[in-house]
Amino acid sequence: QLQLQESGPGLVKPSETLSLTCTASGGSVSTTSYYWDWIRQPPGKGLEWIGSVYYSGSTFYNPSLKSRVTISVDTSKNQFSLKLSSVTAADAAVYYCARRHSSHRYFDLWGRGTLVTVSS
Amino acid sequence: QTVVTQEPSFSVSPGGTVTLTCGLNSGSVSTNYYPSWFQQTPGQAPRTLIYSTSTRSSGVPDRFSGSILGNKAALTIAGAQADDESDYYCVLYMGGGISVFGGGTKLTVL
Repeated sequence: QLQLQESGPGLVKPSETLSLTCTASGGSVSTTSYYWDWIRQPPGKGLEWIGSVYYSGSTFYNPSLKSRVTISVDTSKNQFSLKLSSVTAADAAVYYCARRHSSHRYFDLWGRGTLVTVSS
Repeated sequence: QTVVTQEPSFSVSPGGTVTLTCGLNSGSVSTNYYPSWFQQTPGQAPRTLIYSTSTRSSGVPDRFSGSILGNKAALTIAGAQADDESDYYCVLYMGGGISVFGGGTKLTVL
């Protein structure tokens, strides 16, 4: 049974780049059946889709974040990563990695989430 | 800009039935948007309830059902129980690899 686990710094300074990695265990990211996504949730607020990467490296981004986001996949390490540049306090959130079914377009597996705080 | 709309809050009596909806600020929701629904309790990751409009995810009781009602996607919870008290989110697939979440509905069972 595949599991996803987010990792990365829990504290990022304003204007710097947030970097997170999601490691898939018990399965492979090299599959045509799924996309690999990042989703975030500011404290007390709703969910926001950030973007997605396919095993081939193709990416899709939320238009409102596109200028600051880079998502990549490393099939050799069975990981995919998120970089969000020029962060502000508004980027503080729990960041989830998730698996999205390529045919049914839904998120069927989630990581537990990691809290990122933005502060100097 | 696409906005997915949900009722901010809803309440239901124990044993009662409630229908939550998921709409668009412009246009109608259809099966082409692959609407899916998630349940989230505080401090937990979301749990998938319904995908592709009306398919229940594995292990989800049949008290939960999804449909298209009018111009919106809908999640109906029948026989509401205390542990159904959660936040519920819908998400729509907009095409081009892009998904958009609704703002969520806080369901109270009382």
